[in-house]
Parts: sequence; C-alpha cells; structure tokens
Amino acid sequence: EAGVAQSPRYKIIEKRQSVAFWCNPISGHATLYWYQQILGQGPKLLIQFQNNGVVDDSQLPKDRFSAERLKGVDSTLKIQPAKLEDSAVYLCASSFGTAAEAFFGQGTRLTVV
Amino acid sequence: GIQVEQSPPDLILQEGANSTLRCNFSDSVNNLQWFHQNPWGQLINLFYIPSGTKQNGRLSATTVATERYSLLYISSSQTTDSGVYFCAGVYNQGGKLIFGQGTELSVKP
Repeated sequence: EAGVAQSPRYKIIEKRQSVAFWCNPISGHATLYWYQQILGQGPKLLIQFQNNGVVDDSQLPKDRFSAERLKGVDSTLKIQPAKLEDSAVYLCASSFGTAAEAFFGQGTRLTVV
Repeated sequence: GIQVEQSPPDLILQEGANSTLRCNFSDSVNNLQWFHQNPWGQLINLFYIPSGTKQNGRLSATTVATERYSLLYISSSQTTDSGVYFCAGVYNQGGKLIFGQGTELSVKP
C-alpha cells in the first residue's frame, strides 16, 4: 500500500515570495491534516479536512496561508507572502477517520531567506 | 486549551539500558499514538493505542485512558533508537490530533 506522498521535499525561497506544497493521502482516507513543525518543537496542526470540508483551521494564519482539498483527495497548502518565521517542515498526514490511526508523509522542508 | 505533556524532554542512555517515556493528556482522548521521528524528519508510527497495552519487539506501550496518561517502554536500547519520540492524541472535542513536545532520546554505544 502506498503511503502519504508529499512534494517537493525541499524548498528555498526569499521572503515575500509564494510557495505551494502538495499532498496525496493514502487511498480511501477521508481525513487529511497539514502540520507545521518548527525545529525543536512538536508538530502544530494548521488545518484538518474531512473529505473536502474543513474540520478545523483555527491555527492557520489565514492572512498568508491557504489550503484546499478539491474532490476530497489531493490537497495543496500555499503560503503567500512567506515570512522568515515560516521556515519549518510542513507535514501532511491522513487517516481513515478522525479517531483512526494517522500516517505521515516525509514532509517538505521550507527555508525562507 | 487541550494539552499533551511529555516527559522527560531529554534522555541519554547507554546501549542496552531500558527506559520509560510518559505522555499526559489534559482531556479524554479517542485515539493515542506514539511516533518516532528519525534523523531525516520522518514520523514513524510505533503504536496506535487508545487504551490497554501493546507490544512490538523491544517496544511496548500502555495507555490508561481513565487516568489520562500513556507510557512507552523501550527495552535493551540500541543506537538506532535515537531520535525524538512524540505522542499525539485525538480529543473527544473536535477530533484534532494534538502532539506533545517530544522526548529526545540519545543512545550511546
């Protein structure tokens, strides 16, 4: 069974530029999560989808971050414009349901210079 | 707000030693998972354990849901066990998967 796929693996951009990350969850998983992990900290939930609806986006900085999950499968997370403090690893995870076991992709390491 | 607290924050062991990592959560959870984050940043699933005890080789985990804590046991530690261990819980309210701050384990040869 294929795992959660994320791309790109690494990205370096200048501040004020925009960037997008892509996630393909495990087939059949209805719940999809995006996390931000800053070095030395635990992952912080940015947004959670159930199919193509948003369950929680309370910690998503909506003035610069946006996410969508069209057709309830793949998802993209966008940052526009990026700030230095956005440098982090962005993790995508999926699960069969909200209380089911979640599986993570390899993450995208973003460096904003 | 909902909190997941892990202890200790750091742990240094000699190869072959045993250890216990603890995860306390502030409210009832529907799901409790343990992960190992390897040096490349990948989160590896160790246990999905909302309650009870499970074992997988040298690792085992116990969750006592009524007392809101979970324990991860590592026996006969190896250098490859080094890395950061996270617990994460899905709370009854809202279904969000919330992470603790992790325990950084270093196993010396």
